[in-house]
Amino acid sequence: AQTVTQSQPEMSVQEAETVTLSCTYDTSESNYYLFWYKQPPSRQMILVIRQEAYKQQNATENRFSVNFQKAAKSFSLKISDSQLGDTAMYFCAFMSQGGSEKLVFGKGTKLTVNP
Amino acid sequence: NAGVTQTPKFRILKIGQSMTLQCAQDMNHNYMYWYRQDPGMGLKLIYYSVGAGITDKGEVPNGYNVSRSTTEDFPLRLELAAPSQTSVYFCASKPGPPRGNQPQHFGDGTRLSIL
Repeated sequence: AQTVTQSQPEMSVQEAETVTLSCTYDTSESNYYLFWYKQPPSRQMILVIRQEAYKQQNATENRFSVNFQKAAKSFSLKISDSQLGDTAMYFCAFMSQGGSEKLVFGKGTKLTVNP
Repeated sequence: NAGVTQTPKFRILKIGQSMTLQCAQDMNHNYMYWYRQDPGMGLKLIYYSVGAGITDKGEVPNGYNVSRSTTEDFPLRLELAAPSQTSVYFCASKPGPPRGNQPQHFGDGTRLSIL
């Protein structure tokens, strides 16, 4: 079974600075997908960014980018120019290709952006 | 664009009562999921469905039942509510193959308290 580990329960960053959230996972599969979801206090689950394992190029979405290291099974999220609205819980998630396509989540990292 | 709609948003139950959490999606997605999120934790899969008439257990199915009579609806039934079922419940949906790389879309969640 796949597992996802987020080793940083809480982090904080100053507005306009850069922060990196860590995620490692364990799988024996070669084809899969990885996601970062944001959960603000409103409780919504919002997709931030996704990465296909077969792609070597790291995904980027505006201020959000990932560092995907397949051999190390590492998938970190970098947030540049942090904004107050980035304050939220961030969850790393793994999805196998095919089958149920269910998501396996880490426990999350609570990010606080300070003014 | 309704997306995934969950009702109710909040409910308090007494121990031993039963209830149904409703989930509906209007995106014609084949795959639907129920997750629960306990305090300080990531989401865990309760049940999922890959199409009308097809359901299967996830990681934490005990105490729950589901049905999938239509593509749009995927209700979650709690029988004999217990305090351990106090949680936030999320419904999600996604297209199935050949669009398997598409992310899951989440509802806004139902906060359920069992007293």
